[in-house]
Amino acid sequence: AQSVTQPDIHITVSEGASLELRCNYSYGATPYLFWYVQSPGQGLQLLLKYFSGDTLVQGIKGFEAEFKRSQSSFNLRKPSVHWSDAAEYFCAVGPHSGTYKYIFGTGTRLKVLA
Amino acid sequence: DSGVTQTPKHLITATGQRVTLRCSPRSGDLSVYWYQQSLDQGLQFLIQYYNGEERAKGNILERFSAQQFPDLHSELNLSSLELGDSALYFCASSVNAGAGETQYFGPGTRLLVL
Repeated sequence: AQSVTQPDIHITVSEGASLELRCNYSYGATPYLFWYVQSPGQGLQLLLKYFSGDTLVQGIKGFEAEFKRSQSSFNLRKPSVHWSDAAEYFCAVGPHSGTYKYIFGTGTRLKVLA
Repeated sequence: DSGVTQTPKHLITATGQRVTLRCSPRSGDLSVYWYQQSLDQGLQFLIQYYNGEERAKGNILERFSAQQFPDLHSELNLSSLELGDSALYFCASSVNAGAGETQYFGPGTRLLVL
């Protein structure tokens, strides 16, 4: 069955520290991979997406993610976290073809300490 | 601001009632998606419309229905409401219907069923 796992429900980091949010997926083939951010009271905003090619993807707000096929992972990283990055982060997958459905992970809530 | 508008922002109703949530996509977007976000189920894809036609169906209950009108706005109808239907309902839109399309999310409608 298709699934997305975000093993960390909550993560706390200090401002200026590096960040890595984990995402693992189970899929029949290489899917489209996405990271979204949801600030309190807001809708979701796309940070970055991966389709094919270079496995390191750059996104907005200084985020990047690396696709590792062998590990079925698509982890999100940021070298230096800002207080405004505090939010909930969602990993999602979608198929390259066929009936289109997004599957979201359960989210990781990031807290940033001043 | 994503350009996607949803009304109302908040809705409080009683069990057994019926409500309609409205979504206006970004100008030029042909595809509309509906999602339900709840504490126990996370973010669930409900249904997608493309240029007035149903394109993909996710975990949408039979008590729920949706449609996309000629002017491309969409409505999600929830009937025979139960306490468990209390959630945040998001609409998203994209230019086309492909799996790799960037979806732009609205701010959501928070539904509380008492």
